[in-house]
Amino acid sequence: GAGVSQSPRYKVAKRGQDVALRCDPISGHVSLFWYQQALGQGPEFLTYFQNEAQLDKSGLPSDRFFAERPEGSVSTLKIQRTQQEDSAVYLCASSSNPGQGASQYFGPGTRLTVT
Amino acid sequence: QKEVEQDPGPLSVPEGAIVSLNCTYSNSAFQYFMWYRQYSRKGPELLMYTYSSGNKEDGRFTAQVDKSSKYISLFIRDSQPSDSATYLCAIPLSGAFGNEKLTFGTGTRLTIIP
Repeated sequence: GAGVSQSPRYKVAKRGQDVALRCDPISGHVSLFWYQQALGQGPEFLTYFQNEAQLDKSGLPSDRFFAERPEGSVSTLKIQRTQQEDSAVYLCASSSNPGQGASQYFGPGTRLTVT
Repeated sequence: QKEVEQDPGPLSVPEGAIVSLNCTYSNSAFQYFMWYRQYSRKGPELLMYTYSSGNKEDGRFTAQVDKSSKYISLFIRDSQPSDSATYLCAIPLSGAFGNEKLTFGTGTRLTIIP
């Protein structure tokens, strides 16, 4: 029973580089969320998928951020032209059922440092 | 005003003490309340999940919701060094299509001193 996995665990990017962060949710989980956690803060919502459909991207901070989940399982969060303010831990979470009551299970996160 | 407010601490207590962690929230329509624990360099893990008002107990942990004052609490009895972590309160914001995006407090960093 594997949990949510994320890769890479750590990423250092030079300012202006593009990065791609991967999330493998728990098998069979319909819902997938991405959150951003700045140092000393709670996670902040970025985007939500139900299967392959991206139903809410209201939390994405700019059009440099793009997420996809083409086959309804693995998801990738891409950040183009990284900036120093993008430095944070990016967390992925999945849950079994959309709607009230479904617990979200988090991965370990990817720590992104932009230099 | 943020939807959920939490004192960031840090909080240090001796082993065996009772710990009280608290959050306030802004919207009286909120019904579900969660506490997550996050160890250093790990993702948050769900500790307790309560619906509406009242208490819920799980071992040494008790979650309490007071909807009249919009106040949620987590109590840890007989605290252990392994309880040292950041504790986050969270509330799901129910949206369309079953979107249960979570809004989190800042997190309280707790250290239990042996």
